[in-house]
Amino acid sequence: GQQVMQIPQYQHVQEGEDFTTYCNSSTTLSNIQWYKQRPGGHPVFLIQLVKSGEVKKQKRLTFQFGEAKKNSSLHITATQTTDVGTYFCAGLDGTASKLTFGTGTRLQVTL
Amino acid sequence: GAGVSQSPSNKVTEKGKDVELRCDPISGHTALYWYRQRLGQGLEFLIYFQGNSAPDKSGLPSDRFSAERTGESVSTLTIQRTQQEDSAVYLCASSLVFPSEQYFGPGTRLTVT
Repeated sequence: GQQVMQIPQYQHVQEGEDFTTYCNSSTTLSNIQWYKQRPGGHPVFLIQLVKSGEVKKQKRLTFQFGEAKKNSSLHITATQTTDVGTYFCAGLDGTASKLTFGTGTRLQVTL
Repeated sequence: GAGVSQSPSNKVTEKGKDVELRCDPISGHTALYWYRQRLGQGLEFLIYFQGNSAPDKSGLPSDRFSAERTGESVSTLTIQRTQQEDSAVYLCASSLVFPSEQYFGPGTRLTVT
């Protein structure tokens, strides 16, 4: 079945440093979604990417969908303590019938 | 408008007992999803409903787990003969249609003693 892995599992950065999490699928995806879960909270939708090679920006966050539509990345520029949480990608398979969440990357930001 | 609500927020039960968890999706959302999240872990898909179509039950871990949805409203996740490994947060989400962006509820924390 479809597998969606994220790396790294955990990253600890100092405030102001950049951060990137990578999402890799075992199969080609129709689209990919990204969610953020704050500690003790529930996942909150961030963005959806659909097109091959698509890049979208939200303030300090940059999302990219790979050319082959099998991977994606989320890059945060100049992290802040408010960025703390776990970032999940969710990939929709090629038949658009199965949405699989990635394993998540937990980000810790310290001053 | 109101978001996704879940009840109870916390449930402690003894091993072997049955539990029912409830989810009220956002009004007008045709798709509803259930996930399990163990402490410090990712989201484990359990089941999703889309309108009047047959639900996708492929994620249910055993026949002790079942879920129902009344039309396009409330859903109930039932766990029979609970085991300690069922302890987790159970998250419900809804979306306008499958597979658009999901709105998650606050979850039900289940502890099986």
